[in-house]
Amino acid sequence: EADIYQTPRYLVIGTGKKITLECSQTMGHDKMYWYQQDPGMELHLIHYSYGVNSTEKGDLSSESTVSRIRTEHFPLTLESARPSHTSQYLCASSAYRGMNTEAFFGQGTRLTVV
Amino acid sequence: AQRVTQPEKLLSVFKGAPVELKCNYSYSGSPELFWYVQYSRQRLQLLLRHISRESIKGFTADLNKGETSFHLKKPFAQEEDSAMYYCALRGWGKLQFGAGTQVVVTP
Repeated sequence: EADIYQTPRYLVIGTGKKITLECSQTMGHDKMYWYQQDPGMELHLIHYSYGVNSTEKGDLSSESTVSRIRTEHFPLTLESARPSHTSQYLCASSAYRGMNTEAFFGQGTRLTVV
Repeated sequence: AQRVTQPEKLLSVFKGAPVELKCNYSYSGSPELFWYVQYSRQRLQLLLRHISRESIKGFTADLNKGETSFHLKKPFAQEEDSAMYYCALRGWGKLQFGAGTQVVVTP
């Protein structure tokens, strides 16, 4: 079944650790996005990608980095986690062209840095 | 720069009453506009898009380019409409969201 998957769903990690949040989609979409969202609050675009080997920074400055080596995979990495990184991270994908260009979202990863 | 503004953080309405969620945008080109909804403990999902001119779950939204608005309306709110609603604009490759409006429908 076509879907977008994020792992882990929840992560509690110590300050200074390196972490990678995984996002994979089987929708066949070219575009992928990462958003940061505190509970019940605004979604802030932190990274997006048009396709393989394309990555762009979003509106909210983030210390995280992303890569897009495969169309279906768009992982987000924090080299050294800090308590200020505590948030929910949402991954999304969309078609680049056509009538149905809406974004589909994953379940999210709730990150807590202690 | 593109921007999406949702002026109301919280909208509380009675069941059966009309509900209108405001969304204004700024964008220099022709925007693609969407309304997304997030029910409790569920994923963010598309509610409707301006290009389709459709009605979903009784909701409609009209793009008014003169007023740069894309307000969401429903004539008779239901309890299951209680959720967080986000207006979104797609332009210059980005999909940008407003701050969201929490809708609470009370019986």
